[in-house]
Amino acid sequence: KNEVEQSPQNLTAQEGEFITINCSYSVGISALHWLQQHPGGGIVSLFMLSSGKKKHGRLIATINIQEKHSSLHITASHPRDSAVYICAVSPRETSGSRLTFGEGTQLTVNP
Amino acid sequence: DSGVTQTPKHLITATGQRVTLRCSPRSGDLSVYWYQQSLDQGLQFLIQYYNGEERAKGNILERFSAQQFPDLHSELNLSSLELGDSALYFCASSSSGGGLEQYFGPGTRLTVT
Repeated sequence: KNEVEQSPQNLTAQEGEFITINCSYSVGISALHWLQQHPGGGIVSLFMLSSGKKKHGRLIATINIQEKHSSLHITASHPRDSAVYICAVSPRETSGSRLTFGEGTQLTVNP
Repeated sequence: DSGVTQTPKHLITATGQRVTLRCSPRSGDLSVYWYQQSLDQGLQFLIQYYNGEERAKGNILERFSAQQFPDLHSELNLSSLELGDSALYFCASSSSGGGLEQYFGPGTRLTVT
């Protein structure tokens, strides 16, 4: 079983819809990261959080440490949001700060 | 633009060959991480350097090695290449040794034929 599980694997939405991507992890962590990977391959860090909630524009990320669960929400989705969204954690017990990744969620937003 | 640069962007080589991937971290960042993204394994951590010293090791093959130089740039050396080494190789940097946001480079796409 992977240390980081994401759902769904694939998600298709219509422009304007509210989108939720879920991430569950099974290890103690020092931080959880949400990343966005564009079709060209580049990876952008969207959020890093260790508690509570963060918001940036139309993106909201939440984390529940007790339940070992995080969600990424996109409000008023747009075709330019189409990308792969990856959840990653920094496991607490390891040295350094390596990231352990989920398999990603492929999001397609149709106009 | 994350401020992390990687060269080359694309690399095509034959089995058995050796290649070197280069990464320059963001100005002031001391930590460099190397990750491999392949179709069957997804994104995996390879190795981390902090201020010239190896800090953490992940699923890095013995055929692979890395180092970080005094100017903080890093190189990932891949030798005796196999078809399965074809992947995207990302470098990321952060300002400290752990627990902080990582900034990813654009990646090097390696194709082994």
